[in-house]
Amino acid sequence: SQQGEEDPQALSIQEGENATMNCSYKTSINNLQWYRQNSGRGLVHLILIRSNEREKHSGRLRVTLDTSKKSSSLLITASRAADTASYFCATDPQPPDNYGQNFVFGPGTRLSVLP
Amino acid sequence: EAQVTQNPRYLITVTGKKLTVTCSQNMNHEYMSWYRQDPGLGLRQIYYSMNVEVTDKGDVPEGYKVSRKEKRNFPLILESPSPNQTSLYFCASSPRTGYEQYFGPGTRLTVT
Repeated sequence: SQQGEEDPQALSIQEGENATMNCSYKTSINNLQWYRQNSGRGLVHLILIRSNEREKHSGRLRVTLDTSKKSSSLLITASRAADTASYFCATDPQPPDNYGQNFVFGPGTRLSVLP
Repeated sequence: EAQVTQNPRYLITVTGKKLTVTCSQNMNHEYMSWYRQDPGLGLRQIYYSMNVEVTDKGDVPEGYKVSRKEKRNFPLILESPSPNQTSLYFCASSPRTGYEQYFGPGTRLTVT
């Protein structure tokens, strides 16, 4: 019953390059959020995009949402070594497709930014 | 400082020995949730609570109990832990459902 799926599972880039991660989901949603997790630590919220929005920016982050394709992308521009982390998308499914899960995370993308 | 705290941070226990992991938030948030994180499976929601005395099952509630008697606290109870509950557990809170969630630092549980 997993709702979100990130792709790729792992991504390795050089410092200064851009990193793009994608998220696909299965059902209608109220909103989609992206989180970051440094190894084994708590998740940190990055950005929230509502179902009626198409694009949102926050600093070096750009998120797009295409509800017709049930997909979202997270772009990190001018990446830094400190961006090395796992990135998760999370969705808030709308009823009646809510399988009892109020909030659903994908398996994540592991990003490595090499100095 | 606004935060979500969890205790203990690390716990090794034996099968069948009841345990409680506490979670507390100081942001007056209505929504609280428990997740477990396992390699290759991402985060899976165990239970969530929309407000005091209101709890509901998430994706993987079997073997767990919760209670929400006060707004700030949301303990996770394992009445008879088993080895398949060995995992990294996170508590999170949010002003309301659908808003950004604030995560605790995690509790690494090992059941032998």
